[in-house]
Amino acid sequence: EAQVTQNPRYLITVTGKKLTVTCSQNMNHEYMSWYRQDPGLGLRQIYYSMNVEVTDKGDVPEGYKVSRKEKRNFPLILESPSPNQTSLYFCASSLLARAGLADSYEQYFGPGTRLTVT
Amino acid sequence: QQQVKQSPQSLIVQKGGISIINCAYENTAFDYFPWYQQFPGKGPALLIAIRPDVSEKKEGRFTISFNKSAKQFSLHIMDSQPGDSATYFCAASGDGTSYGKLTFGQGTILTVHP
Repeated sequence: EAQVTQNPRYLITVTGKKLTVTCSQNMNHEYMSWYRQDPGLGLRQIYYSMNVEVTDKGDVPEGYKVSRKEKRNFPLILESPSPNQTSLYFCASSLLARAGLADSYEQYFGPGTRLTVT
Repeated sequence: QQQVKQSPQSLIVQKGGISIINCAYENTAFDYFPWYQQFPGKGPALLIAIRPDVSEKKEGRFTISFNKSAKQFSLHIMDSQPGDSATYFCAASGDGTSYGKLTFGQGTILTVHP
């Protein structure tokens, strides 16, 4: 089954304790992305990757790190979590959209990770 | 800076009614406008999408209307059903700065009463 998986699904942690949220896709997609979802703000992109070893900042990258050592995996790292990073996080993947063909590249989302930082 | 503005924030409709959600965008370089549907505890999933070279696209009970001059697009759900109760996000892409990047609206929580 084609899917994007995230782990853990729920996480409660304390300020400053490093954590990693894993993301994996089995569709051989080049493009992967992390979003955070907050009430009234919709989904905001944190980081994205267009292929292995190619990553770039999204709209809200502060306090986050990512890596893309393998095509299927795109972990999100919070080196020193703070309460303002309490949120619902989604990983997504798609084939790499190319100019003029964006509508061919549907993004597939994982089930989400609910993070609480106290 | 919110490049895609969505309204209303929440919507309550009776079964069989029409649900209408509106979005407005600022970046004229956007050329792909998808709508995503999200059920509680799930990730968003693509519902329907449109390119600006057409003014309307229909898939079953779901229709996107697009007004390029006004930089607005909307989702119409005909004969709304309780199973349509979900959060809906409009999005836009294709501004040339980042392949595949989606800019999302704030989301609309739709509740369809039986």
